[in-house]
Amino acid sequence: KAGVTQTPRYLIKTRGQQVTLSCSPISGHRSVSWYQQTPGQGLQFLFEYFSETQRNKGNFPGRFSGRQFSNSRSEMNVSTLELGDSALYLCASSEGTSGYKETQYFGPGTRLLVL
Amino acid sequence: QQPVQSPQAVILREGEDAVINCSSSKALYSVHWYRQKHGEAPVFLMILLKGGEQKGHEKISASFNEKKQQSSLYLTASQLSYSGTYFCGTEEGAGANNLFFGTGTRLTVIP
Repeated sequence: KAGVTQTPRYLIKTRGQQVTLSCSPISGHRSVSWYQQTPGQGLQFLFEYFSETQRNKGNFPGRFSGRQFSNSRSEMNVSTLELGDSALYLCASSEGTSGYKETQYFGPGTRLLVL
Repeated sequence: QQPVQSPQAVILREGEDAVINCSSSKALYSVHWYRQKHGEAPVFLMILLKGGEQKGHEKISASFNEKKQQSSLYLTASQLSYSGTYFCGTEEGAGANNLFFGTGTRLTVIP
């Protein structure tokens, strides 16, 4: 099976702009989780989508949003970008039906730089 | 909610052993271990579940003390390929599918 894919891999934006990142999960996986990774804060959970519904949400401001399509592909949107949003954004997919027992498989990430 | 990992960094010579610890202040349902090499995505190593079930790689072992909310990852006879940053991720809810990650342990194996 193909792994988790994320596009684009690199992105440069300026403050105030918005950005949309895309994630295609492993075939058959219905859960997609998004994480932000920064040197200072490490890996932090943003949100999780399952069957087109947001099922879990981390502690991020409303500028961070997401959605999931019927084919399980997911997009993440960040509006009104701030310098502190510069990070590696990782998505992870899993089957989605066994909760805490599931292995999450990570994509290569999108590295966002906000100038 | 973020688990605490120790040590923050460790340097080993090939063939030596290492233990990485992960502890949480919350009751845990599972502990996941990942390794991330520079510029790459985290790669799954092992999952330890409440109740004792484990899934993972043969050459890597781990323990999960549910009462103490602690997990340890054991790397034996280290190889150069073991170098990377190790993260533990914890899940606090039975139906949860979101991980709270520790800040990572940077492991460097030298010849």
